[in-house]
Amino acid sequence: DAKTTQPTSMDCAEGRAANLPCNHSTISGNEYVYWYRQIHSQGPQYIIHGLKNNETNEMASLIITEDRKSSTLILPHATLRDTAVYYCIVRVRGDDKIIFGKGTRLHILP
Amino acid sequence: DTAVSQTPKYLVTQMGNDKSIKCEQNLGHDTMYWYKQDSKKFLKIMFSYNNKELIINETVPNRFSPKSPDKAHLNLHINSLELGDSAVYFCASSQHWVRETDTQYFGPGTRLTVL
Repeated sequence: DAKTTQPTSMDCAEGRAANLPCNHSTISGNEYVYWYRQIHSQGPQYIIHGLKNNETNEMASLIITEDRKSSTLILPHATLRDTAVYYCIVRVRGDDKIIFGKGTRLHILP
Repeated sequence: DTAVSQTPKYLVTQMGNDKSIKCEQNLGHDTMYWYKQDSKKFLKIMFSYNNKELIINETVPNRFSPKSPDKAHLNLHINSLELGDSAVYFCASSQHWVRETDTQYFGPGTRLTVL
């Protein structure tokens, strides 16, 4: 059901930028790209979303390619607390049917 | 203060039993959801309620019956539990049904194990 492809796992050194890629080659024109993360034993947490322009908030930046077939979530200065599974999702805005795929397990190394 | 809370956190029970999971949100949101996360970590929506009215009812066995006594609560009752019901169940809420913001706030989850 998931329409996205992400690497299974990634490592990043503490204090460095973590760049998490996502492929969504079948994305349609009215679908947004959303990112959530799930820290062990907790519920998913919303991070950021975008349509075609790059977006930035207090947590992260989202870079979407011009053809919208892929995107990258950037955590500018990763900390140990950012260790989690990160989910890239595409969905129509206003559609509450969020289906999470397998995500990327991000390990922040001290 | 906890925004979305669920009880219990862990639930272990025998096949065939009936059990309930409770969810409460203190955010003043209009919309609440139940999600199921299976062993493969896929998180799929089960139900969505807006102002106590059922909006989304995905393909879920009718052994699962949600109940929303008020806007702040959405409980999930499961009859005749089966082994395949073992999963983590997440409650979530969002401000509106058709919303300007797109953030869903999730509870901590209830890990259900059916023996």
